[in-house]
Amino acid sequence: EADIYQTPRYLVIGTGKKITLECSQTMGHDKMYWYQQDPGMELHLIHYSYGVNSTEKGDLSSESTVSRIRTEHFPLTLESARPSHTSQYLCASSELLGTIYFGEGSWLTVV
Amino acid sequence: QQQVKQSPQSLIVQKGGISIINCAYENTAFDYFPWYQQFPGKGPALLIAIRPDVSEKKEGRFTISFNKSAKQFSLHIMDSQPGDSATYFCAASMASGGGADGLTFGKGTHLIIQP
Repeated sequence: EADIYQTPRYLVIGTGKKITLECSQTMGHDKMYWYQQDPGMELHLIHYSYGVNSTEKGDLSSESTVSRIRTEHFPLTLESARPSHTSQYLCASSELLGTIYFGEGSWLTVV
Repeated sequence: QQQVKQSPQSLIVQKGGISIINCAYENTAFDYFPWYQQFPGKGPALLIAIRPDVSEKKEGRFTISFNKSAKQFSLHIMDSQPGDSATYFCAASMASGGGADGLTFGKGTHLIIQP
């Protein structure tokens, strides 16, 4: 059973607003990830981290940014949201050479 | 360039039948091949995974078949049940597990099991 939590689960915000999607895991995993998924579509890696103070960009270019100040916490921030950012954002974590566990996702709608 | 190709995009199977989803990969450095199951509104959950040193792995009604020479692997769901209706993603990674940059996913298969 994975212990990875995302908040908020659902968010509707106006264009231009700054938002932060929170992700926390209690498993002590070193690696954390953010994937973006449109409804019913494939998952795209947008950010990942090997550990504290490590952040890397994924395969899909994203205007979002991430930080990793604590092992258990990997928030994703959009400085100025746009309708094109409407999507589901999935946080995940794993040990260095282990199974990737996903949170339940944050559904973002920008109007 | 899509590194993991998944088919079919959608699949309808009668209750009790066998559901088969196929994936093909290009990168021979991949050495970990998991399948994830995703229900609407939920995150993907690991279903079953295989490494290239075996040709088949079975867990309950779920079986992965792996063909290293063809660079293909497939998921078989035996005695399919309505509760199996979900989206299934195959994936691949390097470095035995999470990989350097996470998993590369297929585009998913929407499976519907008709009662």
